[in-house]
Amino acid sequence: DQQVKQNSPSLSVQEGRISILNCDYTNSMFDYFLWYKKYPAEGPTFLISISSIKDKNEDGRFTVFLNKSAKHLSLHIVPSQPGDSAVYFCAATSNTGKLIFGQGTTLQVKP
Amino acid sequence: DTEVTQTPKHLVMGMTNKKSLKCEQHMGHRAMYWYKQKAKKPPELMFVYSYEKLSINESVPSRFSPECPNSSLLNLHLHALQPEDSALYLCASSQEISRVETGELFFGEGSRLTVL
Repeated sequence: DQQVKQNSPSLSVQEGRISILNCDYTNSMFDYFLWYKKYPAEGPTFLISISSIKDKNEDGRFTVFLNKSAKHLSLHIVPSQPGDSAVYFCAATSNTGKLIFGQGTTLQVKP
Repeated sequence: DTEVTQTPKHLVMGMTNKKSLKCEQHMGHRAMYWYKQKAKKPPELMFVYSYEKLSINESVPSRFSPECPNSSLLNLHLHALQPEDSALYLCASSQEISRVETGELFFGEGSRLTVL
């Protein structure tokens, strides 16, 4: 029973264009959603989060949108840069210390 | 210092061996975590320690035994593992369990375990 799903295993975009990574969830008790980025041979690093009471959070080139009625969130990266190439994990939590991760989407940004 | 240090980076062990994975942080964090990540899968929570006490055990088999000797150290003792236990084991820490929500969860680079 996957509570957090990323249905696109991979995404390829041109440098300078927008990258949109999607995530769906099933548990309405989640109160925070996060995006993590992972390079090979490194642990995941935190990128951006959003509370369930908000619908948008922005941090520089990264914006996360939350649609609670659709149980869907997305991460927008604009403009995309080659250094953004990594695996992106969507994650969710309900104040229990448990972070539930999606399967990940591998983003490739081509120069 | 915002590092979580894991040793060893790579470990190969037989099914009858006993080995340990170690994790250390000096950020004064009081919550520490073990995650397991298999190839092309998301990290899955195994254990959470809060103030050196086991807070969450995600029904992990007893061949994995966590230990938190003090607030800076977290060990994972391994005994009689199976080949399917081969995975990347990630340690993480946060100031408190509640800080997970705001992304203040710091991961180490992981220990890649191969069970023969």
